[in-house]
Amino acid sequence: DAGVIQSPRHEVTEMGQEVTLRCKPISGHDYLFWYRQTMMRGLELLIYFNNNVPIDDSGMPEDRFSAKMPNASFSTLKIQPSEPRDSAVYFCASSLAQTGSKRYFGPGTRLLVL
Amino acid sequence: DQQVKQNSPSLSVQEGRISILNCDYTNSMFDYFLWYKKYPAEGPTFLISISSIKDKNEDGRFTVFLNKSAKHLSLHIVPSQPGDSAVYFCAAATNYGGATNKLIFGTGTLLAVQP
Repeated sequence: DAGVIQSPRHEVTEMGQEVTLRCKPISGHDYLFWYRQTMMRGLELLIYFNNNVPIDDSGMPEDRFSAKMPNASFSTLKIQPSEPRDSAVYFCASSLAQTGSKRYFGPGTRLLVL
Repeated sequence: DQQVKQNSPSLSVQEGRISILNCDYTNSMFDYFLWYKKYPAEGPTFLISISSIKDKNEDGRFTVFLNKSAKHLSLHIVPSQPGDSAVYFCAAATNYGGATNKLIFGTGTLLAVQP
């Protein structure tokens, strides 16, 4: 079975540009999570969805960040405008209610904002 | 304020020896703990978990110990193998790890197992 798919794997952009990260969760999973990894803060939860509905976005750092899940097989995380401090690795993860807190992570998108 | 702390950014161990990775937490409401392993250019993968009703959980070469009074857990890998070289993340949750939980992750420890 395919795991969580993320694109692009790497993104280099200039400050002020819009960045869109994409995620395809594991088929049948009803939870989707967006995480950000930095050296200083480790893995931080940004937002999560249940059955395509955003449940908790308290981790989204600023209004510049937005996330959508238009259907069960696709989600986007958008940063507009991007800033150098947004540089990090962004992970998407999915899970089933039955698997509890176990998350299945994608390979991540490494974002560099110049 | 980090609720889950991994104070050792890195650890180097000889192949065949024991690796001990440590994790401390501050929130006494946490009752479910997980370890994830991450190789470069890959996402973290689940390794082992423990509920606060236990003090030890073992899976092959991996054992997690929980000391609730000290708010401390550790991951033991015995014997360590070069393929264990990775970043290990400790994570904590409430409500015994229900699906709606926020997992709170530590900053990770890079383990290097020397052949």
